[in-house]
Amino acid sequence: LAKTTQPISMDSYEGQEVNITCSHNNIATNDYITWYQQFPSQGPRFIIQGYKTKVTNEVASLFIPADRKSSTLSLPRVSLSDTAVYYCLMDSSYKLIFGSGTRLLVRP
Amino acid sequence: ETGVTQSPTHLIKTRGQQVTLRCSSQSGHNTVSWYQQALGQGPQFIFQYYREEENGRGNFPPRFSGLQFPNYSSELNVNALELDDSALYLCASSYDIANTEAFFGQGTRLTVV
Repeated sequence: LAKTTQPISMDSYEGQEVNITCSHNNIATNDYITWYQQFPSQGPRFIIQGYKTKVTNEVASLFIPADRKSSTLSLPRVSLSDTAVYYCLMDSSYKLIFGSGTRLLVRP
Repeated sequence: ETGVTQSPTHLIKTRGQQVTLRCSSQSGHNTVSWYQQALGQGPQFIFQYYREEENGRGNFPPRFSGLQFPNYSSELNVNALELDDSALYLCASSYDIANTEAFFGQGTRLTVV
């Protein structure tokens, strides 16, 4: 099973760009890289998904190098409401395998 | 709003009892998955149902069972509750098996005493 490694926690300040890197050395050919956000006592929320190079949507960008062994979620100009846990997942089959995630704390 | 609703939001049960948790998926979502999330941990996959049949199962004992109905609703049943079953239970629905984008409900907080 594909396993991901990401920092346990990160701190940032309002207005800064935050980059969370995830390592996935055993990524398989069919795996997509997906990021979810979770607030306390809520279900995870899909942020972005990609296979290679760069993907951008209205809330984030996802950078994936050519070897696909890592990925970086970029959150531009974070606000206090971005304080949450961010999960990086390999998504190739019927189940989502969550790690412990990265706890992002955004300070004023 | 994900369009996925779960009930109840909170529940307290006694060890040894049985519990049924419910989920209403988005219309058109043929796939529903259930996850257990202990405090401070990521969600753990319990099982998935696709078009009313179990499509895959995680490392959970048989006392965890489920049902999916044609009206996009589903149930998670847990028998012989144990203290360690205390957790947030999440359902997630998607258009297909591949989970290209799974939509999660807000969860049911189960406390076993």
